This record gives sequence, C-alpha cells and structure tokens, in this order.
Amino acid sequence: SQTIHQWPATLVQPVGSPLSLECTVEGTSNPNLYWYRQAAGRGLQLLFYSVGIGQISSEVPQNLSASRPQDRQFILSSKKLLLSDSGFYLCAGQGGGSNEQFFGPGTRLTVL
Amino acid sequence: AQKVTQAQTEISVVEKEDVTLDCVYETRDTTYYLFWYKQPPSGELVFLIRRNSFDEQNEISGRYSWNFQKSTSSFNFTITASQVVDSAVYFCALSEIASYGQNFVFGPGTRLSVLP
Repeated sequence: SQTIHQWPATLVQPVGSPLSLECTVEGTSNPNLYWYRQAAGRGLQLLFYSVGIGQISSEVPQNLSASRPQDRQFILSSKKLLLSDSGFYLCAGQGGGSNEQFFGPGTRLTVL
Repeated sequence: AQKVTQAQTEISVVEKEDVTLDCVYETRDTTYYLFWYKQPPSGELVFLIRRNSFDEQNEISGRYSWNFQKSTSSFNFTITASQVVDSAVYFCALSEIASYGQNFVFGPGTRLSVLP
C-alpha cells in the first residue's frame, strides 16, 4: 500500500509571505496526486490534481499553484499568502491498482 | 454532474448506542466507486471502505457495517455499540472514471460525537 508524507505539520506565516508545502509518496509509481484544502469545520475542497510529472490541473482559481517535479513529489506554493489561505491542507494519492485515495497527515496553515 | 450529500451535519450519541450515518449520491455513470473515510481530531483521513457500483452486497467489519442500495442511491454507514474512539468526522465519497483516471467528490462530512 502507498504512504503519503507531508511537511511541515503546522505552519504560521504572515500575510504576503511565500509558501511551499511538500508531499511525497511511497509504495507506488506514477500515482495520481491531489491537493485538498479544508477550512475549519468544513469539507474538502479539491485544489489541484496531477496525473504525471509536470501535469497539473487546477480546480479552483486562486492564489495558489502546484508543481510536480518528480513522479512521487507534489508541491503546493504561493508567492504571497492571503488571510483566506489559512486552512488544513491535505495531499492524497491514488494508483498502484487501488481505486481509493490515501491521504497524508496534513499541514495546518495559519496566515496572520 | 456527480454529487454527494450527507444531510446530518452533527450527531451525538451516548456510548454503546448504535448510530447510522447517511450518504446519498448522484451520478450519471454506471461504473463508479463509493467510499467512507474517517477523520479523527488529528486530521488525517483514514480510508474505511470501498464499494464498486456492481457490488451491492452489504459489508460488515467488526462494529462497522455498510448498506449500499442503488435503488435509492444511498451508501449508509452504521456503527454498532459506539465507543468514544469513534468520535470523528466521517466523509462519504464518490469516484467516477475520468479521462485521466478517477474523479473524486466528497460529501460535506458528518461530525459524530460519542459521549461516555
């Protein structure tokens, strides 16, 4: 089975600062990868997904971008954070013969 | 378009009570998958079960059971003899086959509180 790693676990950043969240996958090759955001007490909002290196699809226009420089690496970035970017960010992977998504532990981002 | 509805926003039960979490989905595809995930206070989503659209057999795993009914587009989740450790947010999800792989849609979640 696959394992999803995310870091950092928590992050406090000032408005206007840059952001880089990293997600790596173990246990499968060529997975589909996803970034979700979860606002406090809310459901999951799909931000980006990727089917391969360099292939990114955006679901919601926003202040964020994603990149996939390697098969098992998925990065979420921002040049200038907004207060509304605060939330819990989850990376998920799907593939390797399984139909379900597996999730990382998440990063809790607070923008002040 | 696909959609997942979890009408129960929050449920509170007392330990040892049975509780059912409802999930209703919409899809135009004949081939799809349904899932339940548990999100404990730590935040990570834990996969519980997958069902494909051609398998309507109900499933039991310990105190957990799932009832899939295509006629009503429902995939309900029952916890028998609930425990405090069952307290979490539970998400129902649907995936359809897309050109790139699978397209996942999550319900808004149901927050379950099991009181001692």
